[in-house]
Amino acid sequence: GAVVSQHPSWVICKSGTSVKIECRSLDFQATTMFWYRQFPKQSLMLMATSNEGSKATYEQGVEKDKFLINHASLTLSTLTVTSAHPEDSSFYICSARDVLSYGYTFGSGTRLTVV
Amino acid sequence: AQSVTQLGSHVSVSEGALVLLRCNYSSSVPPYLFWYVQYPNQGLQLLLKYTSAATLVKGINGFEAEFKKSETSFHLTKPSAHMSDAAEYFCAVTQTGANNLFFGTGTRLTVIP
Repeated sequence: GAVVSQHPSWVICKSGTSVKIECRSLDFQATTMFWYRQFPKQSLMLMATSNEGSKATYEQGVEKDKFLINHASLTLSTLTVTSAHPEDSSFYICSARDVLSYGYTFGSGTRLTVV
Repeated sequence: AQSVTQLGSHVSVSEGALVLLRCNYSSSVPPYLFWYVQYPNQGLQLLLKYTSAATLVKGINGFEAEFKKSETSFHLTKPSAHMSDAAEYFCAVTQTGANNLFFGTGTRLTVIP
């Protein structure tokens, strides 16, 4: 079945530094990928929708200059948390949409801790 | 507008008992509906999905769900709970032409030995 690889699984960084998270669709082409943030014991909050070759669409309240999204190919989207602060600590999950099967496949998530 | 409501943020069942997790949707057009499971510190794994074919959908790990238009429901069931079923379960909805999924608030399933 469809597989989405997300790396890293966890990362600890210092305040003020930037962190890049990668999301790859391994066996299908994903023209659209999604980035979610999940707080403890809560549901997924959609941050942005990235479309291959175009600018990402951010949800209301999500700072696009802080959460940079790049979707340069049909199999790779990246989320860069710039100038990270402790309040950015969270679980980030990507998802890729397979238009052929109308499926949404999720990555395994990235636990970001900013110290 | 689309949304899903999951009744019961926590559900506890005994091992071997019936699992019933409730999901009601709101959609102005025929929906596509999904159930996902999430284990701690992991992503979401698809259990099953309804995409306008058979109303009774069978998924992985013995789970199934029935789409009931008259009740706007898509409840998830499993005849006999296993300890390994303990996890967080999310119902989600989308529709033809839409892009992203809309998630419910999730239901934490606890299985009591």
